Amino acid sequence: GAVVSQHPSRVICKSGTSVKIECRSLDFQATTMFWYRQFPKQSLMLMATSNEGSKATYEQGVEKDKFLINHASLTLSTLTVTSAHPEDSSFYICSARDRARTNTGELFFGEGSRLTVL
Amino acid sequence: AQSVTQLDSHVSVSEGTPVLLRCNYSSSYSPSLFWYVQHPNKGLQLLLKYTSAATLVKGINGFEAEFKKSETSFHLTKPSAHMSDAAEYFCVVTRSGGYQKVTFGTGTKLQVIP
Repeated sequence: GAVVSQHPSRVICKSGTSVKIECRSLDFQATTMFWYRQFPKQSLMLMATSNEGSKATYEQGVEKDKFLINHASLTLSTLTVTSAHPEDSSFYICSARDRARTNTGELFFGEGSRLTVL
Repeated sequence: AQSVTQLDSHVSVSEGTPVLLRCNYSSSYSPSLFWYVQHPNKGLQLLLKYTSAATLVKGINGFEAEFKKSETSFHLTKPSAHMSDAAEYFCVVTRSGGYQKVTFGTGTKLQVIP
């Protein structure tokens, strides 16, 4: 159980276009979802925290107008990279907390999305 | 406040020999600690977790970790490395509660030599 599906796994787009990445909890309700960015050979950098039905909380230095996060339901959060540029190319990963297991603090991760902006 | 330090960025072992990946943490509260593994271009998979129950935690694929409060450590071990263990490993600290922030270590890349 506790599967997180992230889609697409790979996306290539032209500079200036927008790209949407979806993160779905398939068999549990996610009170909180997290979005990370990972540069090559580095750890995960938290971009934002989204709670269902409320605005996302962005980490310092992350542009909220650039990286739009929507958490419209307990099973879906989306990250939209607006007006993408080559420097936005990266590996983006989402994670979710199970509403029924918040006491453990455990996170369930998506498989990640490799974004390449030409 | 909380932090986690993975002392080694790279660890290289021969197949069949023991694995030790070190993790030290600091936390103002009773922590929950996790080890995750990441294979190239993949998401993170949970290996094991400590959430204030038994201090010796057994995980998947033969891994285990021991929570030592006096040493503020949560080192990951495996008696015998397998080629498929080659990956990046992350130590993670948080505390209980759905809205608590999670802190990742910088990761340790495990290389297994045949």
